[in-house]
Amino acid sequence: DGGITQSPKYLFRKEGQNVTLSCEQNLNHDAMYWYRQDPGQGLRLIYYSQIVNDFQKGDIAEGYSVSREKKESFPLTVTSAQKNPTAFYLCASSITAFNSNQPQHFGDGTRLSIL
Amino acid sequence: AQSVTQLGSHVSVSEGALVLLRCNYSSSVPPYLFWYVQYPNQGLQLLLKYTTGATLVKGINGFEAEFKKSETSFHLTKPSAHMSDAAEYFCAVRRALYNFNKFYFGSGTKLNVKP
Repeated sequence: DGGITQSPKYLFRKEGQNVTLSCEQNLNHDAMYWYRQDPGQGLRLIYYSQIVNDFQKGDIAEGYSVSREKKESFPLTVTSAQKNPTAFYLCASSITAFNSNQPQHFGDGTRLSIL
Repeated sequence: AQSVTQLGSHVSVSEGALVLLRCNYSSSVPPYLFWYVQYPNQGLQLLLKYTTGATLVKGINGFEAEFKKSETSFHLTKPSAHMSDAAEYFCAVRRALYNFNKFYFGSGTKLNVKP
C-alpha cells in the first residue's frame, strides 16, 4: 500500500546535538511538508517542498533545515539552534502543491524529546 | 489572513449521542475545507473534504459536515457517537498563496466518548 513512512517513531536529542527525522513517501506526490505539533496549538508549518531540489521556509523554520534530493524523500534536521525542539513532528505530502483540491496525506509522526 | 477557529478544545458526549464539533474559518475567497482525525501518537487521517458542489459532505466512519458560506462555518457531525470515535479532530482550510497550496489548521478538539 502507498503511504508515508516516518522514522524513528521516538527520538531523543542531547544538548548541542543535531538530529535528523526521516520521511519517505511512495505515493508519487510532488509536494511534501513538515509540521510541528504542540499540545493545544494545532499544526505549524516548518518547511515545504513543491518539487525535487526546491524547498521553502514555512512559518517556524528557524532552527530547522531540510533537503529534497529525491522525490520520495524529505528529511528534516533539527539543529542545536532550535532551543525548544520537544514536539511531535508530522510529515505530509500532496499530489501537487499548486491549485489543487486534493488533501494532504500524513505519516505517523516522530516524537522528539530532549535528554 | 487565513485562520481556522475550533470552538471547544474538549468535547464530551455519551455513547450513542450526537457529536457536534465546530469549525469557523476566515477567508476572502471560497475555501477548500477539510476535517482530519488523529488518534494518539499517530498522524492525521482525512475524514472528509469540501471543495465545490454539494454543501453537505459525507465522510468516513459516519461523519458529515456542512459548508455554510453565510456563517463561514464547516461543523462536523455524527448522529450517534461510538467509543472508537474518541480522538482529536482538526479542521483545516486550504488557501492558494501564489499558486501554492498552504493549509491552515485549527487548534484541534479532543472528543471524549463516555460509555
